[in-house]
Amino acid sequence: ETGVTQSPTHLIKTRGQQVTLRCSSQSGHNTVSWYQQALGQGPQFIFQYYREEENGRGNFPPRFSGLQFPNYSSELNVNALELDDSALYLCASSWDSNEQFFGPGTRLTVL
Amino acid sequence: AQRVTQPEKLLSVFKGAPVELKCNYSYSGSPELFWYVQYSRQRLQLLLRHISRESIKGFTADLNKGETSFHLKKPFAQEEDSAMYYCALRTSGTYKYIFGTGTRLKVLA
Repeated sequence: ETGVTQSPTHLIKTRGQQVTLRCSSQSGHNTVSWYQQALGQGPQFIFQYYREEENGRGNFPPRFSGLQFPNYSSELNVNALELDDSALYLCASSWDSNEQFFGPGTRLTVL
Repeated sequence: AQRVTQPEKLLSVFKGAPVELKCNYSYSGSPELFWYVQYSRQRLQLLLRHISRESIKGFTADLNKGETSFHLKKPFAQEEDSAMYYCALRTSGTYKYIFGTGTRLKVLA
């Protein structure tokens, strides 16, 4: 059984660019949540996908969007990057509403 | 407003001393509360959830709806308990998780 994986590990972008982050769920999981963790802060909920449908969203603008694929892997897309988007992005997978397992994160730096 | 507050950024205790990490929440519905832990160079992981009412690694937490608190306690701290601890609330229906800002626990020898 493989755990949650995320790619890439690190990423540097410039303001205005677009970025796609990827998450591979733990085997058997059908739910993925994405979080943004700024330095010194706790994770902030971006959104959750359940069986390919968005199932809840935090206070993030529409330029943060996502997808979940039939194999339950997921993508987080961020358009028109801003300096404040620099953060660690975490994904977590679970079976329905059971315990969520976190990935190692993708560190995004926006210059 | 939905909020989780962890008032201490850093808590230092000596090995063998009792530990209490504070967590207060604000939520109008029926909350589910969790404690997550992140050890050095490891992923964030679930420590315990209030509905299970169990003790994990000697830690317990009781949901006090009157005081809207979910403090994490351990009677005798161990050096291996040193880590970052996050309290989190899950809203009903949308399964949105709200995390606190975290408390770094340092257990001194």
